[in-house]
Amino acid sequence: KAGVTQTPRYLIKTRGQQVTLSCSPISGHRSVSWYQQTPGQGLQFLFEYFSETQRNKGNFPGRFSGRQFSNSRSEMNVSTLELGDSALYLCASSWTPGLAANEQFFGPGTRLTVL
Amino acid sequence: KNEVEQSPQNLTAQEGEFITINCSYSVGISALHWLQQHPGGGIVSLFMLSSGKKKHGRLIATINIQEKHSSLHITASHPRDSAVYICAVGVPDKIIFGKGTRLHILP
Repeated sequence: KAGVTQTPRYLIKTRGQQVTLSCSPISGHRSVSWYQQTPGQGLQFLFEYFSETQRNKGNFPGRFSGRQFSNSRSEMNVSTLELGDSALYLCASSWTPGLAANEQFFGPGTRLTVL
Repeated sequence: KNEVEQSPQNLTAQEGEFITINCSYSVGISALHWLQQHPGGGIVSLFMLSSGKKKHGRLIATINIQEKHSSLHITASHPRDSAVYICAVGVPDKIIFGKGTRLHILP
């Protein structure tokens, strides 16, 4: 069974631009969550989607948004990019919703660099 | 104070040594996760536990809910165990990560 896939793997953007990242979960998984990892802050939770609905959201500004499609694939969008948005963005999938007590299967990540 | 604290931050050991990484948390949790991240970024879930102890190969994870503390042990460590180990706690509406422990096993 294929793992979680993320595209693109690397991305370079300039300040003020917007970016869309994609995540395809493991087949049959309906829950997708997104995370940001930076050297300073470590891993931080962005949001969680299940059945096309956002269930939970971390403490990030409104420039960060996401959605989930009927096939469980998910996208996240960052508008008006800032230098501080440079990070590794990871998505993870699981069978059921609930970050607290469900094993998460992580994708390889998208490394975003904002110049 | 961070809600999830890991120690040590960095650990270098010789191949074959017994390794212990600690995680303390200050919030009520539903479960605790141990994750492994290799250079390049990929993260693998090692354990999810809410009580007691779990073992997988040379890895053992324990949790004490009353003490709000968990440990990850690696027996007979090997250079391929070199990675960052991250503790994360699940609370009802999010997951909170520790800063990670960078482990380097020397051959």
